[in-house]
Amino acid sequence: SAVISQKPSRDICQRGTSLTIQCQVDSQVTMMFWYRQQPGQSLTLIATANQGSEATYESGFVIDKFPISRPNLTFSTLTVSNMSPEDSSIYLCSILWGAKNIQYFGAGTRLSVL
Amino acid sequence: DAKTTQPTSMDCAEGRAANLPCNHSTISGNEYVYWYRQIHSQGPQYIIHGLKNNETNEMASLIITEDRKSSTLILPHATLRDTAVYYCIVSFQTGANNLFFGTGTRLTVIP
Repeated sequence: SAVISQKPSRDICQRGTSLTIQCQVDSQVTMMFWYRQQPGQSLTLIATANQGSEATYESGFVIDKFPISRPNLTFSTLTVSNMSPEDSSIYLCSILWGAKNIQYFGAGTRLSVL
Repeated sequence: DAKTTQPTSMDCAEGRAANLPCNHSTISGNEYVYWYRQIHSQGPQYIIHGLKNNETNEMASLIITEDRKSSTLILPHATLRDTAVYYCIVSFQTGANNLFFGTGTRLTVIP
């Protein structure tokens, strides 16, 4: 599969600030996704990052809170804006890869908001 | 997408086969069964998937019942490194792949 790199791997942030998470893939991919995993919970899809157009957000997630960029076929960013302790989660990017459209995941970004 | 039901947790002795069941009674004809696992706080790892035939790869085997309403993931010789949460997911194999991760089965491999 393609290699997916996420930065930062973890961060501790203050309430009210914003954090931008980067996802870099070593090959061009059409579909990229961003997920959130709250403590002790399963994964929830935030949005699909579309190259050249606005991201498609799932119910309960809005662009003002989670702006996403997808400037090319190998890179995407997710910003967590105006953070509160409730935003403390693991944020994961994923891609669709290969002829069988398997979804592969990055290692995740562990965010703690104080 | 169809929902799945998995046991909350299971134990398996090291070196023995781990058999993880999954019920997906509302699966539709062109939905696939996917298995992922998540080792503590890492990103989910793809294991295997299938439509109706049994599948095997270097990690595991997937047995799907004839009526496709349930499946079993088999890890033939479990090791301590297989301790993880295993997710059974039913989804269409399309470009807009939205994987619904339920609560999964927490497998603990015991020395």
